[in-house]
Amino acid sequence: DVKVTQSSRYLVKRTGEKVFLECVQDMDHENMFWYRQDPGLGLRLIYFSYDVKMKEKGDIPEGYSVSREKKERFSLILESASTNQTSMYLCASTPRQGAYNEQFFGPGTRLTVL
Amino acid sequence: GNSVTQMEGPVTLSEEAFLTINCTYTATGYPSLFWYVQYPGEGLQLLLKATKADDKGSNKGFEATYRKETTSFHLEKGSVQVSDSAVYFCALSGRAGNKFYFGSGTKLNVKP
Repeated sequence: DVKVTQSSRYLVKRTGEKVFLECVQDMDHENMFWYRQDPGLGLRLIYFSYDVKMKEKGDIPEGYSVSREKKERFSLILESASTNQTSMYLCASTPRQGAYNEQFFGPGTRLTVL
Repeated sequence: GNSVTQMEGPVTLSEEAFLTINCTYTATGYPSLFWYVQYPGEGLQLLLKATKADDKGSNKGFEATYRKETTSFHLEKGSVQVSDSAVYFCALSGRAGNKFYFGSGTKLNVKP
């Protein structure tokens, strides 16, 4: 069964802390994505990656960075967490070829920044 | 550019009622269209998809038809169950790559 896993389901951090959210997929997918989900706003793309060591900014990259050192792992980093980054974070992956393929999602990490 | 608009919720129905959730899109080229479902506390799961005009996607009693002339992909189910209570997202994927564009989501509450 295909799987995308995220390191934590729930996370509580303090303002100013550095936060790492990890995502791992076991499907050998080239593309990986980080979204945040907020009520009434749907899913907004933060960053995505088409290959190892490659990254592109999504719609709301400010305050975030990413790392993709291995194909199966895509990390989201909050350099200095702020309360407005309290949200649900979703990771997704998809194979490289074509627009027919669905995105496979992880279970999400609900981050609270105090 | 690409975008997806879906009806605002919440939508509240009684069990066995007919469901329609409207979705319209704007896209360059010929996108693929998807409906995802998110149950409480979980990530998104693919419900159904359609990759070209007039295709009908179906799964678990849900259906949606890719209508190019009206740029729509409305989700329907003939008889909803309490277990269908969830948030439903319409999405499109452009041919240029695998970037997805999601609607804002519609929460469905089904009462017994």
